Amino acid sequence: QKEVEQNSGPLSVPEGAIASLNCTYSDRGSQSFFWYRQYSGKSPELIMSIYSNGDKEDGRFTAQLNKASQYVSLLIRDSQPSDSATYLCAVNSGKEYGNKLVFGAGTILRVKS
Amino acid sequence: DAGVTQSPTHLIKTRGQHVTLRCSPISGHKSVSWYQQVLGQGPQFIFQYYEKEERGRGNFPDRFSARQFPNYSSELNVNALLLGDSALYLCASSSRGTGTPLFHNEQFFGPGTRLTVL
Repeated sequence: QKEVEQNSGPLSVPEGAIASLNCTYSDRGSQSFFWYRQYSGKSPELIMSIYSNGDKEDGRFTAQLNKASQYVSLLIRDSQPSDSATYLCAVNSGKEYGNKLVFGAGTILRVKS
Repeated sequence: DAGVTQSPTHLIKTRGQHVTLRCSPISGHKSVSWYQQVLGQGPQFIFQYYEKEERGRGNFPDRFSARQFPNYSSELNVNALLLGDSALYLCASSSRGTGTPLFHNEQFFGPGTRLTVL
C-alpha cells in the first residue's frame, strides 16, 4: 500500500465547473496535509495547507480533511484553463523525520475552455 | 522577499561523475529539505537539515550526501552518478525543523535543478 494515493487522472472539467481532487494516506499519525500545484517543467507551488478536520477555504480553493477516513480533498471552484496542472497531495510524516513530506504521484487536471 | 533559490538550473553529467547542487532558503528559514522528482512521480524525500544538523534521511544510497552552512544555505552532493539519478532535484525551505506550531511545517520549493546523466 502506497503511503499517499491519488488518482493519476487526467481529470477533465469544463471551464467554470468545480474540480474535485482526492487523496488518501496510510499513516494515522500524520498531522499536516498540503496541496501543491505543479505546472509542467516547474517546481511545486504550495496552494493549501490543512491541519484539523473539516474545511478550509482560500479564494476558489477549499481543502477538506477527514482524519478518521484518512482522506484529504481539494475543491477548485470556477475552474479556469490556468488551473490546468498536476496537483500533488503531501502529508507530513513527522514522527522521526520532522518535516519529511510524503507525496502522492499527483493528479493531472485539465480545464477545457 | 526572495524565495528559495537553487543553482544551477540545469546540469548534464556523465555516469560516474560527481555533482554538487546548491540551495539558499527563504530569509529567516532555518530548515532545508532536499527531494528528488523523477518524471511522472511525486517528489521523494532525500534529506532534511535544521540548524546545520541532519534531521532526516530518506531511502537513498550513501552516494547522496548533504550539508548545511552557518547561513542556512545547503549543498546536495551525489557521487558516482548513475543514469537513474536523472531527475529534478528540489530544495524546500521551512521555518522550523520539527514540532509545533504545525504551520511551521509548510515547505516552499525552489525552482529545482534539472540533472541529466548520460
